[in-house]
Amino acid sequence: GAVVSQHPSWVICKSGTSVKIECRSLDFQATTMFWYRQFPKQSLMLMATSNEGSKATYEQGVEKDKFLINHASLTLSTLTVTSAHPEDSSFYICSARTGEAYGYTFGSGTRLTVV
Amino acid sequence: RKEVEQDPGPFNVPEGATVAFNCTYSNSASQSFFWYRQDCRKEPKLLMSVYSSGNEDGRFTAQLNRASQYISLLIRDSKLSDSATYLCVVRGGGGADGLTFGKGTHLIIQP
Repeated sequence: GAVVSQHPSWVICKSGTSVKIECRSLDFQATTMFWYRQFPKQSLMLMATSNEGSKATYEQGVEKDKFLINHASLTLSTLTVTSAHPEDSSFYICSARTGEAYGYTFGSGTRLTVV
Repeated sequence: RKEVEQDPGPFNVPEGATVAFNCTYSNSASQSFFWYRQDCRKEPKLLMSVYSSGNEDGRFTAQLNRASQYISLLIRDSKLSDSATYLCVVRGGGGADGLTFGKGTHLIIQP
């Protein structure tokens, strides 16, 4: 089946640094990639939708200058958390639509801790 | 009002029991409906899509009532491995393609 590979699985970084998260579709082309984040005991919240070759669409309340999304190819989308702060600590997860009855495949997630 | 509402639980049920979860959604234009399962600190995995006619996959039965904007999931003969958080998920409405997740219902199957 369709696989989305997400790296890193977890990262601990210092406040003020930037962290890049990568998602690759391994056996299919992902025209659209969705980025979510999940705080403890909360639901996954859609942050942005990235389309290959064009600018990402951000959900209300998500700072586009802080969460940089690049979707330069049909198999790779990246999310960069710039100047990370402790309140950005969360579980970040990407997802792509696989085209099978509108099923979505998720990456394994990245647990970011900013200290 | 939250877009997708679920009872968070936890539901503690004995192995072999039948358990049902409910979910309501607020966007009447929503087009697709799913149940996902999420294990602790893991990514969600698709359990099943939900269709208006109702659908069954082994021990799992899902129902959708568009008029009431209500979705349900029934698990029969529950197994220890069914312990997880079950996420009610909705897609679409107004051209939006991303998924909207409920907070999830936590299920604990006890031996």
